[in-house]
Amino acid sequence: DAGITQSPRHKVTETGTPVTLRCHQTENHRYMYWYRQDPGHGLRLIHYSYGVKDTDKGEVSDGYSVSRSKTEDFLLTLESATSSQTSVYFCAISEAGELSYEQYFGPGTRLTVT
Amino acid sequence: DQQVKQNSPSLSVQEGRISILNCDYTNSMFDYFLWYKKYPAEGPTFLISISSIKDKNEDGRFTVFLNKSAKHLSLHIVPSQPGDSAVYFCAANRKSSGDKLTFGTGTRLAVRP
Repeated sequence: DAGITQSPRHKVTETGTPVTLRCHQTENHRYMYWYRQDPGHGLRLIHYSYGVKDTDKGEVSDGYSVSRSKTEDFLLTLESATSSQTSVYFCAISEAGELSYEQYFGPGTRLTVT
Repeated sequence: DQQVKQNSPSLSVQEGRISILNCDYTNSMFDYFLWYKKYPAEGPTFLISISSIKDKNEDGRFTVFLNKSAKHLSLHIVPSQPGDSAVYFCAANRKSSGDKLTFGTGTRLAVRP
């Protein structure tokens, strides 16, 4: 199994509060991603990173920001949480240069915004 | 706009029979396709993939078929086992987008003992 951990695994927060989710990898992979999974939508890319301090937006980036100051850590921040951001969040990693485009996923964080 | 579609939200199959999961895509620029399996409370795990230069890839009980003209791929599981019960996602990539994947909405497979 790829060495990917996510913290916290579960969180309940109130509308309007900031929330930060952490993804940590031990594989030294260059690429890291944040997805959200919602019923009827599958997995949708929020933000991704292609190196330290190099990040870009995915298809559902509004209301989210990310930071990557070290290869192993990728942080997702909800600046002011809303109920629409209640979801399961997955971090993934991949290695640049391979032709397979496989991504390896963490165990997920279930976030509930009340 | 859903570029990768899995039109069957669920599928139920008898143990030992074949499971066929389908996936359609609209973007002809996709050139690599993957299938992931997801158990409850776990992250998706990679299952099998296929490049657009091939029409079939096999790995044990799992075979993926690609029909580029129809923009359709399918995952065959033979024989199906109860442990295969999970949600299956197809995903697609195009080289110009780097390593980003576009996922379908998933199909929940239930294998009956």
